[in-house]
Amino acid sequence: DTAVSQTPKYLVTQMGNDKSIKCEQNLGHDTMYWYKQDSKKFLKIMFSYNNKELIINETVPNRFSPKSPDKAHLNLHINSLELGDSAVYFCASSHGPGGANVLTFGAGSRLTVL
Amino acid sequence: DAKTTQPPSMDCAEGRAANLPCNHSTISGNEYVYWYRQIHSQGPQYIIHGLKNNETNEMASLIITEDRKSSTLILPHATLRDTAVYYCIVRVQGNTPLVFGKGTRLSVIA
Repeated sequence: DTAVSQTPKYLVTQMGNDKSIKCEQNLGHDTMYWYKQDSKKFLKIMFSYNNKELIINETVPNRFSPKSPDKAHLNLHINSLELGDSAVYFCASSHGPGGANVLTFGAGSRLTVL
Repeated sequence: DAKTTQPPSMDCAEGRAANLPCNHSTISGNEYVYWYRQIHSQGPQYIIHGLKNNETNEMASLIITEDRKSSTLILPHATLRDTAVYYCIVRVQGNTPLVFGKGTRLSVIA
């Protein structure tokens, strides 16, 4: 059983398109995250949700809109895709936000914008 | 911004102990030291964390100096599958995000 699963694993699309990446966790965690890893391999937090409520929103263009329909899901929708959005996007979850808050990451979704 | 300093790369012979250093000279009293690793093309994986006492689990040991300004992650018997980028992170427990730095690229050599 995959603890944190992301779909799709690979996504190739044209500039200007709108796309979504889905994330589901079966760990019973109440906090979920989106991280972005760019071509230089830096991992940066984008968003965090706790019990479906947004608790962390880093400086991210408003073209990026996370949606959490329930505690087990956190989807990422991106409008008007740009070349600079090409990256690997990682979803993660944790028991949190309090306590040790150890994160479990998904395998990543590689987005390529042409 | 990451609050830690790590060497960019290290090599280790297979079967030997891998000792990965981390400097965190500005660490606050309520900040924990976390270690994660990222094997190529995979998501980051939690390894261990601690506040001031040394910690050990099935994956590794964490040694934190008495002044807490540095720490060392020890993989006691490195295998080829331990080749990865290792990230040392300091953070307050609770609603604070993990901030990843550049990490140390560990290469385990047969």
